[in-house]
Amino acid sequence: EAGVTQFPSHSVIEKGQTVTLRCDPISGHDNLYWYRRVMGKEIKFLLHFVKESKQDESGMPNNRFLAERTGGTYSTLKVQPAELEDSGVYFCASSRQSNTGELFFGEGSRLTVL
Amino acid sequence: QKEVEQNSGPLSVPEGAIASLNCTYSDRGSQSFFWYRQYSGKSPELIMFIYSNGDKEDGRFTAQLNKASQYVSLLIRDSQPSDSATYLCAVNWGAGNMLTFGGGTRLMVKP
Repeated sequence: EAGVTQFPSHSVIEKGQTVTLRCDPISGHDNLYWYRRVMGKEIKFLLHFVKESKQDESGMPNNRFLAERTGGTYSTLKVQPAELEDSGVYFCASSRQSNTGELFFGEGSRLTVL
Repeated sequence: QKEVEQNSGPLSVPEGAIASLNCTYSDRGSQSFFWYRQYSGKSPELIMFIYSNGDKEDGRFTAQLNKASQYVSLLIRDSQPSDSATYLCAVNWGAGNMLTFGGGTRLMVKP
């Protein structure tokens, strides 16, 4: 069974540019999550999809971030325009159930904003 | 504000010893507790979860929870160099899988 895959593994962009991160969850997992870790900080929750619906987006930092999961399969996280403080590692995770805490994480997309 | 605190380490133990990793959390309303292991550059991987006070054992790993003291720990017996990684404590305060993570403790097991 393939794990959670994320693309790109590393992206370097300039402040003001746009970046789109993609996540393919484990097949059959309705729940998809985005987390991120900025330098020196802990991993923080961004949002949670159940199929194509946003269940909880309380962790999204501001309206420069847009997450989508059209069709309930893969998800994208767009940052537009990117700021320096957006640099970090963006993790995607998926789970079959929504209340067990057993998340399967991808290896993350490292974003560097110059 | 719900917070999870861990000593960043590194915690260095010799091979074969017991490694003890600790975590405290700020809110008594916490529901469930998780330990994830993350090798450098890799994805976090769930290794233990615990919901009730007391100990839970799985192979060489034991999770301990004390809700009154708001404290959760992970013991690794017979530590191996392959256990060298960052261990992340995570807490779930309610429905859904919105986990709050600590900053992680880096464990180094020396041969």
